[in-house]
Amino acid sequence: KNEVEQSPQNLTAQEGEFITINCSYSVGISALHWLQQHPGGGIVSLFMLSSGKKKHGRLIATINIQEKHSSLHITASHPRDSAVYICAVGGTGTASKLTFGTGTRLQVTL
Amino acid sequence: DVKVTQSSRYLVKRTGEKVFLECVQDMDHENMFWYRQDPGLGLRLIYFSYDVKMKEKGDIPEGYSVSREKKERFSLILESASTNQTSMYLCASLDRLNSPLHFGNGTRLTVT
Repeated sequence: KNEVEQSPQNLTAQEGEFITINCSYSVGISALHWLQQHPGGGIVSLFMLSSGKKKHGRLIATINIQEKHSSLHITASHPRDSAVYICAVGGTGTASKLTFGTGTRLQVTL
Repeated sequence: DVKVTQSSRYLVKRTGEKVFLECVQDMDHENMFWYRQDPGLGLRLIYFSYDVKMKEKGDIPEGYSVSREKKERFSLILESASTNQTSMYLCASLDRLNSPLHFGNGTRLTVT
């Protein structure tokens, strides 16, 4: 079974700071997902990666397949970025084999 | 736009009651999932379905069953609710392997 570890577990930043959240996994995967969950809200898919880098607005996600590691970066952070960010990895078998990290709770203050 | 709808946002039930959680997706996705989310444990898969009338157990199926009679609807059933089933329940759907997951807004179930 894939082990997924996220770091840090909790993160507090000031508005405008550059933020990095890390995700490491133990077994080769087919894809890695970054998800966002606002307090009291549902979960939204931010990125799905199988290689390289993706960018959407102020969010950038990278993955290094050889090192089994992915990072989610937020540039020019804003209080509305405050949420839990979850990494999930998909196995090479069926779609069911998604393993989730326990999430990184981000608080961005003014 | 993609939509996954869970029938209830909050639900309070008594121990021993039979509980139905409904999930509907409008994207014609083959795969649907039920997860529960608990603090410190992340998301854990209860059951999933990859086609109508097809279901498979996830990591924590005990105390739960599911039904998928139509492609768009996936129901989670708690046969006899217990207090340790108090949790946030999330439904998700997926078109195919390596495509984005789409989640419902969740049902926060409290069993007293």
